[in-house]
Amino acid sequence: DSGVTQTPKHLITATGQRVTLRCSPRSGDLSVYWYQQSLDQGLQFLIQYYNGEERAKGNILERFSAQQFPDLHSELNLSSLELGDSALYFCASSATWLEREKETQYFGPGTRLLVL
Amino acid sequence: GQNIDQPTEMTATEGAIVQINCTYQTSGFNGLFWYQQHAGEAPTFLSYNVLDGLEEKGRFSSFLSRSKGYSYLLLKELQMKDSASYLCAVTGTYKYIFGTGTRLKVLA
Repeated sequence: DSGVTQTPKHLITATGQRVTLRCSPRSGDLSVYWYQQSLDQGLQFLIQYYNGEERAKGNILERFSAQQFPDLHSELNLSSLELGDSALYFCASSATWLEREKETQYFGPGTRLLVL
Repeated sequence: GQNIDQPTEMTATEGAIVQINCTYQTSGFNGLFWYQQHAGEAPTFLSYNVLDGLEEKGRFSSFLSRSKGYSYLLLKELQMKDSASYLCAVTGTYKYIFGTGTRLKVLA
């Protein structure tokens, strides 16, 4: 158990809908990262937050957005869903992106999204 | 540009030694991570290299050459449970880039 929690574990929805994925980082970790992993694909970095502020953006679609709240939990919002959005969405946390070894990311169990 | 290359698949026999290579090109380099990911599960941390040389941790060792943009993960005394994907990831200023991973199959 990494200490990172994600809800829900599974989500089935229809095209055009909107969903929210939730992540709680390890206690004390300030950074939260979101990744998308499609079948047989590598981890695609979406976005990073550090202590409530957006820190880095990857290949995140405009239909997707995220935020980190004062209690450091984070939500990833996916809207106007398409079939191709079906994937595993991982959240990871780390203590800080500044110090060596503290950049180690601890991953949650993921949310498996299926868009029908 | 930024790029990480790893072999897609490797096969080895139980009890053997296998080396998984990773080459990278990136602007700004802080360190290189290796993660293990079993199918359908979350990646888990294996090792972290920031300086050139070999870091040993039990059956797993990781090597880094910053001048060559090259790393490898060495797995000794392979066990069936080592069948998984191994992800190389490079960190730099405001970024964390993963390779597509090497799927290792360990055969009895």
